[in-house]
Amino acid sequence: QVQLQESGPGLVKPSQTLSLTCIVSTGSISSGGNFWTWVRQHPGKGLEWIGYIYYSGSTSYNPTLKSRVTISMDTSKNQFSLTLRSVTAADTAVYYCAREGDGEGIGYWGQGTLVTVSS
Amino acid sequence: DIQMTQSPSTVSASVGDRVTITCRASQSVTTWLAWYQQKPGKAPKLLIYAASHLEDGVPSRFSGSGSGTVFTLTISSLQPDDFATYYCQQYNTYLTFGQGTKVESK
Repeated sequence: QVQLQESGPGLVKPSQTLSLTCIVSTGSISSGGNFWTWVRQHPGKGLEWIGYIYYSGSTSYNPTLKSRVTISMDTSKNQFSLTLRSVTAADTAVYYCAREGDGEGIGYWGQGTLVTVSS
Repeated sequence: DIQMTQSPSTVSASVGDRVTITCRASQSVTTWLAWYQQKPGKAPKLLIYAASHLEDGVPSRFSGSGSGTVFTLTISSLQPDDFATYYCQQYNTYLTFGQGTKVESK
């Protein structure tokens, strides 16, 4: 059973950089066929895909966030990370890390972590 | 980008009812469509992928159908544990979620 756990600061100041890490238990993030994904949910709202990093290291980002987002992976620590630059209050959300199987939807999710952007 | 529109936004139903939720895509996503259930304070749970494939461990009262631009999620006999918000999501081009459908008790 794949387990994912987000970690990072719960409070970020406006204009600064939001950085989160997802630790993956069980299985290697560099094994084939998986998309290591970040999704966020604004308070009381729906789900928004941020982007993913493929097991090979290639990335894809939501076009609306692409200029501010970087997703990277550290295979030695079996974890992947999200960096979101120049944050505003509109980036306040619960951030989920997740695993999307090839053609199989997002079957594994972390518990989510609330990040608040405020001075 | 592909927009996903769910209807209705809210469903009021009773235990035992048949519930159907519709998801429309702004352009064809073939069958690259998933459905999720989310309860308050919890991460979404995958129910259906590839439009009609039931995720392992998901009760058979859930079913999905459709292709192209119109998809449905059906709960054949609503159970107490099914009161939640449901989202569709396309993964044909990037990933986009619908706005959600809340299934509430009548």
